[in-house]
Amino acid sequence: QKEVEQDPGPLSVPEGAIVSLNCTYSNSAFQYFMWYRQYSRKGPELLMYTYSSGNKEDGRFTAQVDKSSKYISLFIRDSQPSDSATYLCAMRRGSEKLVFGKGMKLTVNP
Amino acid sequence: GAGVSQSPRYKVAKRGQDVALRCDPISGHVSLFWYQQALGQGPEFLTYFQNEAQLDKSGLPSDRFFAERPEGSVSTLKIQRTQQEDSAVYLCASSLDRGLNTEAFFGQGTRLTVV
Repeated sequence: QKEVEQDPGPLSVPEGAIVSLNCTYSNSAFQYFMWYRQYSRKGPELLMYTYSSGNKEDGRFTAQVDKSSKYISLFIRDSQPSDSATYLCAMRRGSEKLVFGKGMKLTVNP
Repeated sequence: GAGVSQSPRYKVAKRGQDVALRCDPISGHVSLFWYQQALGQGPEFLTYFQNEAQLDKSGLPSDRFFAERPEGSVSTLKIQRTQQEDSAVYLCASSLDRGLNTEAFFGQGTRLTVV
């Protein structure tokens, strides 16, 4: 079993939809939780960063962490075609290496 | 430069050939990471440098993989006697320091195809 599990999709939604992306993990030592967006043939770029449990909102994006369930989520409101990309969850213990999920490919159709 | 720069962007190697992949981190960034991303997968950790010191190489898949950062700036990932299973995108990331709240910035990657 991988340390971080993420449904790879793909997921296709109409423009304006609310998108929910999720990851589960097995290592309770993870403290820092991130969501990266990766466009085709580009490197990952950091979208959201959360320490421990709780919610964080940034514009149309909301990240949630539930450490008791070992479950993290990313919500995208009013999705746009420009949001079409692969979304990767990632986490780490302290300042160590990032452990990534497989990535979910999202397409937002105009 | 403004971001992490990797070269070449694309590399085709014949099986058995040696390759060298270069990473230019953001100026002043202390930490440098190499990741391997196979098709349809998330990046997997290979190795980590703090300045010129290689502090973690636990992710290197075999002794054919070697990384260096001799002056604490540019890093090179070398793969000897390439195999087909080495085909992947190799990503480099740098961060300002090893602090807990430090963001890692990724380059665009080098796509290696072994034929």
